[in-house]
Amino acid sequence: EAQVTQNPRYLITVTGKKLTVTCSQNMNHEYMSWYRQDPGLGLRQIYYSMNVEVTDKGDVPEGYKVSRKEKRNFPLILESPSPNQTSLYFCASSSQTRRADTQYFGPGTRLTVL
Amino acid sequence: GENVEQHPSTLSVQEGDSAVIKCTYSDSASNYFPWYKQELGKRPQLIIDIRSNVGEKKDQRIAVTLNKTAKHFSLHITETQPEDSAVYFCAAVGGLKTSYDKVIFGPGTSLSVIP
Repeated sequence: EAQVTQNPRYLITVTGKKLTVTCSQNMNHEYMSWYRQDPGLGLRQIYYSMNVEVTDKGDVPEGYKVSRKEKRNFPLILESPSPNQTSLYFCASSSQTRRADTQYFGPGTRLTVL
Repeated sequence: GENVEQHPSTLSVQEGDSAVIKCTYSDSASNYFPWYKQELGKRPQLIIDIRSNVGEKKDQRIAVTLNKTAKHFSLHITETQPEDSAVYFCAAVGGLKTSYDKVIFGPGTSLSVIP
C-alpha cells in the first residue's frame, strides 16, 4: 500500500530535549516536505527536499533541521525544542515526475513541548 | 514574504447549495495551485488542482478557476452534501520570488454543510 508514515504520532517532551520525528514514504517520490499546522495559520512549510542530499528552507525553518540521506526517509530534528514549537506536524511527499505537485500527507505528529 | 490569502475563514451553507472559496496569491510567477480538504482529525488530501496555463478545471461537483492577471483562484463546490464539511486549504507553488518548489498555503476555510 502506497503511504507516508510518521513516528511518533504523539509526543510530549520538555524544553531543550532533542527529538527526531521520522517520516518515510514507499512511493519512490523525490520531493518530500515538512509542515506545521497551527489554528488560524493553516499549514506552513518548514523544510523541503527535492532529492537525496538536496534540502531547502520553507517559510518557518527556524529551530528545525532536516536531512535526506535516503530517498524514502526525511526526518525532522528539533535540537532544542521550545514551547512555541508545540504544534501538529505533517510530512508529505510528491510524485517524482511532478515535484511539488500532488502531495501525499502522513498521518501527522502532535508534539507538545512543556 | 510571499503569502496566500483565503476567504472566507468560515462558511455555512444549506445542503444542496453552492460554496465558493477564494484565494489571492502575491507571487505573480507562481505556477501551480492545489486545493486540499482536511476532515476533522485527518490528514489533508488533494481534491483538485490547476496550473497557470489553464483558466478552469472541473471534476464532478468541484471546479477551480484561475485569474492570473488578478492573481486569484477560487474553489467552487456545487450541490453541497454534509460530507463536504471540512477545512479547505488553497496553496500556491513556485515563483520568481520564492524557491521553485516552495509551497505556501492559505490559512484555511472551515465549511459546514447544514442538512
